Amino acid sequence: AQKVTQAQTEISVVEKEDVTLDCVYETRDTTYYLFWYKQPPSGELVFLIRRNSFDEQNEISGRYSWNFQKSTSSFNFTITASQVVDSAVYFCALSEGSSNTGKLIFGQGTTLQVKP
Amino acid sequence: DAGITQSPRHKVTETGTPVTLRCHQTENHRYMYWYRQDPGHGLRLIHYSYGVKDTDKGEVSDGYSVSRSKTEDFLLTLESATSSQTSVYFCAISESRGAGVLYEQYFGPGTRLTVT
Repeated sequence: AQKVTQAQTEISVVEKEDVTLDCVYETRDTTYYLFWYKQPPSGELVFLIRRNSFDEQNEISGRYSWNFQKSTSSFNFTITASQVVDSAVYFCALSEGSSNTGKLIFGQGTTLQVKP
Repeated sequence: DAGITQSPRHKVTETGTPVTLRCHQTENHRYMYWYRQDPGHGLRLIHYSYGVKDTDKGEVSDGYSVSRSKTEDFLLTLESATSSQTSVYFCAISESRGAGVLYEQYFGPGTRLTVT
């Protein structure tokens, strides 16, 4: 069965610190997609990234970077030099290719608090 | 930003009453989804639609029904609301390309429903 685990419920850092949010997934599909979403205090869900199972290249976007490792079934998200505006709930999600419907399985979310 | 609206944005209702939430999109996307968000559970899929009049159940579909008579509208109905259905409800859309699904979903602003 498919599952996404975000073991860190809450993380608190001081501004400018680097922080890594962990995501571990389970799936039997060989084709799947992994996502990160951000939910700021205002409540909307913001799409950050999608990664395909056949592309293990890590990605960097400004202060954000993602480390995808199939060997450990992990898709971790690092924020470099965190800022107060990064305070949010972050969700990791999985979509299995066999479903062909794009259904997302979400982790429980990690609440990140960045203190000034 | 994807053109997705949800109505109402907030609703308080009594146990046993029917409730309908509406999701409207202006993107002409094929796939639409309803999720609920509860503390400790992340987001869980209620129902989804892969075309007009084509719908299927998600992970937590009991007590909910959906309808999609037009591409742009996806309705979620609670036939007889219960306190356990107090939650934040999110609609999402996904673009399709050819026979497949693009997989990244864009979310509406959410509806906060309280059942007293």
